[in-house]
Amino acid sequence: AQSVTQPDIHITVSEGASLELRCNYSYGATPYLFWYVQSPGQGLQLLLKYFSGDTLVQGIKGFEAEFKRSQSSFNLRKPSVHWSDAAEYFCAVAISSSNTGKLIFGQGTTLQVKP
Amino acid sequence: DTAVSQTPKYLVTQMGNDKSIKCEQNLGHDTMYWYKQDSKKFLKIMFSYNNKELIINETVPNRFSPKSPDKAHLNLHINSLELGDSAVYFCASSPFTNTEAFFGQGTRLTVV
Repeated sequence: AQSVTQPDIHITVSEGASLELRCNYSYGATPYLFWYVQSPGQGLQLLLKYFSGDTLVQGIKGFEAEFKRSQSSFNLRKPSVHWSDAAEYFCAVAISSSNTGKLIFGQGTTLQVKP
Repeated sequence: DTAVSQTPKYLVTQMGNDKSIKCEQNLGHDTMYWYKQDSKKFLKIMFSYNNKELIINETVPNRFSPKSPDKAHLNLHINSLELGDSAVYFCASSPFTNTEAFFGQGTRLTVV
C-alpha cells in the first residue's frame, strides 16, 4: 500500500538557521507530491507541489523541495527560518494513476523556532 | 473572500446526537473532499466527490453521510455521535482530481 513517512516528529531550529524536513514515500511509480503547512488552529496551506519536470521546485514563503526518485524522497528546505515558520508541516502524495484525488499524508513534523 | 469555508468552526455535542458540518467552495472546483484529523494530527481522507458524485468512501462508518447538493457544496452529516468521532474535520476542494487540494479552516468536533 502507498505510504508517506516523515521521520522527524519534532524539529527545533534557531531563527535564521537553515531547515530541512524529510519526507519519504512508498509507491511504484512517480506520485504527485505536496507539502502543506498548518498553523495552530488553522487549515492546511499548500507550500509547493511536484508533478513532473524540474526536480527542484520553489514554493511560497521561501520554501523549496527536491524530488529524488532514487531515494523516494521529497525533502523540504528553507535557507533561513523565521519565527513565523513555527507550525506543523505535512508531506502528501497523490497517486498519479488514480482518478480520485485522494491525498495520502505523512504523520507531520512539528517545527519549533528558537529566538 | 474565503475560498473553502466550513461552518461551524467549533462543535461540542453529546454522545448520541446528530450533527451536520457545512462546506462551501467558491473556486469553481469540480472535486470536493472530507478529511479527518485525529488527536495525533494524522490526516486521512473520508470522502471524495467529483461533480456531485461520490468517488471515494474510505471505509467510513455509515453513521457518516456526505451530501453534495451542487458542485460548490459538500456537507457532512453524522448520526449517533460517539466519543471516538471527536476530531478536526477538514473540507477541501480541487479543480479536478490529482491536483492540489485547497483546505477549509476545519471544524473541531468534540463529543462529550
